[in-house]
Amino acid sequence: QQQVKQSPQSLIVQKGGISIINCAYENTAFDYFPWYQQFPGKGPALLIAIRPDVSEKKEGRFTISFNKSAKQFSLHIMDSQPGDSATYFCAASPLRGKLIFGQGTELSVKP
Amino acid sequence: DAGVIQSPRHEVTEMGQEVTLRCKPISGHDYLFWYRQTMMRGLELLIYFNNNVPIDDSGMPEDRFSAKMPNASFSTLKIQPSEPRDSAVYFCASNAGGQDTQYFGPGTRLTVL
Repeated sequence: QQQVKQSPQSLIVQKGGISIINCAYENTAFDYFPWYQQFPGKGPALLIAIRPDVSEKKEGRFTISFNKSAKQFSLHIMDSQPGDSATYFCAASPLRGKLIFGQGTELSVKP
Repeated sequence: DAGVIQSPRHEVTEMGQEVTLRCKPISGHDYLFWYRQTMMRGLELLIYFNNNVPIDDSGMPEDRFSAKMPNASFSTLKIQPSEPRDSAVYFCASNAGGQDTQYFGPGTRLTVL
């Protein structure tokens, strides 16, 4: 019940295309769903986050879609760029301060 | 803002040796987290502190691992004795109570031979 399942494990997208990464959770008590971006040799950094009272949040080219009934959420990267190549982690918070991370998705955007 | 500081950045040691990883959280942050990242298991939360007190250590793999936070600006994660399967990148993160965003350090890459 504490798991967050993320897919795909890796993703290759052409420049200008749309990257989509999906996550699913089981615990309905989770109340905060962030996405973190990690470049090689660096620590993860917050990219965008959503709470379950909204179904979508957009920040620039990055959008989170949230489906509370299905217990799923996804990250969409529009107009993907080579600079977006990184590992992306979804996460969920069961209580303040604690995050449970998905397994990560390695995104490669080809020029 | 200096961010979360971790040392060393790289550590190579031999099986059986003691390893100590260090972390300085962002000033003013009262939560501190230790994570381990491996290809097989992803990002795992090992332990976290609030106001220097350990809150949840259920992720600590076994008794060989211990963590301390003697004051608000310093924490250590110790592995004694180390084993090859402990090889991973260890991250420290911090945040301020009332905020959800965790700020990660650059990590310590540990290799146990």
